[in-house]
Amino acid sequence: SQQGEEDPQALSIQEGENATMNCSYKTSINNLQWYRQNSGRGLVHLILIRSNEREKHSGRLRVTLDTSKKSSSLLITASRAADTASYFCATVARGDFGNEKLTFGTGTRLTIIP
Amino acid sequence: DGGITQSPKYLFRKEGQNVTLSCEQNLNHDAMYWYRQDPGQGLRLIYYSQIVNDFQKGDIAEGYSVSREKKESFPLTVTSAQKNPTAFYLCASRRASGYNEQFFGPGTRLTVL
Repeated sequence: SQQGEEDPQALSIQEGENATMNCSYKTSINNLQWYRQNSGRGLVHLILIRSNEREKHSGRLRVTLDTSKKSSSLLITASRAADTASYFCATVARGDFGNEKLTFGTGTRLTIIP
Repeated sequence: DGGITQSPKYLFRKEGQNVTLSCEQNLNHDAMYWYRQDPGQGLRLIYYSQIVNDFQKGDIAEGYSVSREKKESFPLTVTSAQKNPTAFYLCASRRASGYNEQFFGPGTRLTVL
């Protein structure tokens, strides 16, 4: 089942601008992860935020988590052409310790215009 | 050079044929996963395995089968019972319980002719 929904489905911005994409989910989670996928390739893990965390940074990435609203956002600052990709959020359900299956959202297609 | 490999990159199959997709990892990871991705969609879990000789169905297991005879290998068979097998298939692995990041292979694109 697709738990997460990303918003927007597609986003085009000028190089150097910031990109923000959002993810909503339905059930209680242990953690939420963001992945990047270049066209026709596998996924690459970007960042993980646990349910007791509210914000996390990694380089140009900033992730926030609001468990009361069951939502997360990914901010990419100072975008580059190489950031062009699809971005997916994925959740691990609370209580799923040991299995830690990921449930993916539908993704945001980000295009950086040089 | 550690990682996950999937082969072949492209695969064509006639209707009614079974086909097996390969997934190998040399990361010494315990858990392995198979996902299906359709155009413009997210990933859906087909099967997963936490240890050798054990595996569980995911959300869309019908028409698929797997085996886990070795820690390094987790092949996926797409059977003729799968009604709409044309898709992009991704294999992933994870170190162990408590380590949440999944590492993905490059994928196999299966087309049924």
